Amino acid sequence: GAGVSQTPSNKVTEKGKYVELRCDPISGHTALYWYRQSLGQGPEFLIYFQGTGAADDSGLPNDRFFAVRPEGSVSTLKIQRTERGDSAVYLCASRSTRSNTGELFFGEGSRLTVL
Amino acid sequence: AQSVTQLGSHVSVSEGALVLLRCNYSSSVPPYLFWYVQYPNQGLQLLLKYTSAATLVKGINGFEAEFKKSETSFHLTKPSAHMSDAAEYFCAVSDTGRRALTFGSGTRLQVQP
Repeated sequence: GAGVSQTPSNKVTEKGKYVELRCDPISGHTALYWYRQSLGQGPEFLIYFQGTGAADDSGLPNDRFFAVRPEGSVSTLKIQRTERGDSAVYLCASRSTRSNTGELFFGEGSRLTVL
Repeated sequence: AQSVTQLGSHVSVSEGALVLLRCNYSSSVPPYLFWYVQYPNQGLQLLLKYTSAATLVKGINGFEAEFKKSETSFHLTKPSAHMSDAAEYFCAVSDTGRRALTFGSGTRLQVQP
């Protein structure tokens, strides 16, 4: 597509539930990133994919968070046993590997609210 | 690890006044630096980027930033603020080790009529 697409745009869930957030990157972009943005904060790095593999998952806060990108395009961020502290906007970004300057293109985010 | 510090979480200017948003970086290697803008309920949009080609970088919407290695700064400026500039602005530095961007905490710009 023309830009990075994220669904759902809003998700309200109850504490303890399982959540999936989806990201469809710009066509042809092999690098994909997930960030989390809490209220009043800058985006915080979670995980980076190069192709199908997670090249760096050092930002995932704990083992309740997991992300996949099985075919090297669409990615899903999965959160198990959600907690109120997981409430945030989850941003997805992609980058062309032809770009050597590191510029990321962001989607509009998925706002997660855990009640 | 690389990092950025944005001085001032809120900046308020009058319409037509100079905009100055401050960013200082920490990096052991020559960095790539970015300014992004975020409008309410939207994703981040790239304003401009420094990639060592020129120290004065011009971006969209009349914004520009100057890379000063001696001051480890990359401040964002605009000569004359417009109401539509009201948004959150983020400075970011490339982290070559993880190929990701590290963001500052952001500066909210308010433009008063």
